[in-house]
Amino acid sequence: QVQLQQWGAGLLKPSETLSLTCAVYGGSFSAYYWSWIRQPPGKGLEWIGEINRSGSTNYNPSLKSRVTISVDTSKNQFSLKLNSVTAADSAVYYCARGNSRSWYPGVHYYYMDVWGKGTTVTVSS
Amino acid sequence: DIQMTQSPSSLSASVGDRVTITCRASQSISSYLNWYQQKPGKVPKLLIYAASSLQSGVPSRFSGSGSGTDFTLTISSLQPEDFATYHCQQSYSTLYTFGQGTKLEIK
Repeated sequence: QVQLQQWGAGLLKPSETLSLTCAVYGGSFSAYYWSWIRQPPGKGLEWIGEINRSGSTNYNPSLKSRVTISVDTSKNQFSLKLNSVTAADSAVYYCARGNSRSWYPGVHYYYMDVWGKGTTVTVSS
Repeated sequence: DIQMTQSPSSLSASVGDRVTITCRASQSISSYLNWYQQKPGKVPKLLIYAASSLQSGVPSRFSGSGSGTDFTLTISSLQPEDFATYHCQQSYSTLYTFGQGTKLEIK
């Protein structure tokens, strides 16, 4: 059974860099995309970006200039860095597995089916 | 970006009620629509993918329908453990976007 364990600093000052890592246990790492999602207090979910085993990434354009997602296949881990944080970046950050199902050639329905427990990140001076 | 709009934003219902939550996309997304359930302080849980496919282990009282721009999540008979916030999410575009959430509360 796949489990995602995430960790990283929970309290940052404005202009610092947020750094989180997510480790994948109990399942294949190679066959999936791996995402980061965040949720500000009392608000909805925002997708940050994703990476696959080859290091191919997709980012949310609204964060792209500040985000780097990287992968370490030797450890089955992937990481998120978000630089120049402000109070608006305070949120619970989740890592998640991107899976897909296909009934027809070339058609892949993508969804996030396994999530980490979340890390609360607070940005405050 | 594809905007996802859920209605209502909040809903009060009783145990045993049939409940429907709606999600509308700003453009056609075929059936690339997922639903998640999130309880307070907990991690989102996948309920439905590809608009109508039930994720393994999810009770059959949950169902999804729709295609194009309009989608629904239906709970056929509310149980106490179903009171939560429900999120829709599109995967038609690689810029995955979520609805604002629908909070389902006990009446």
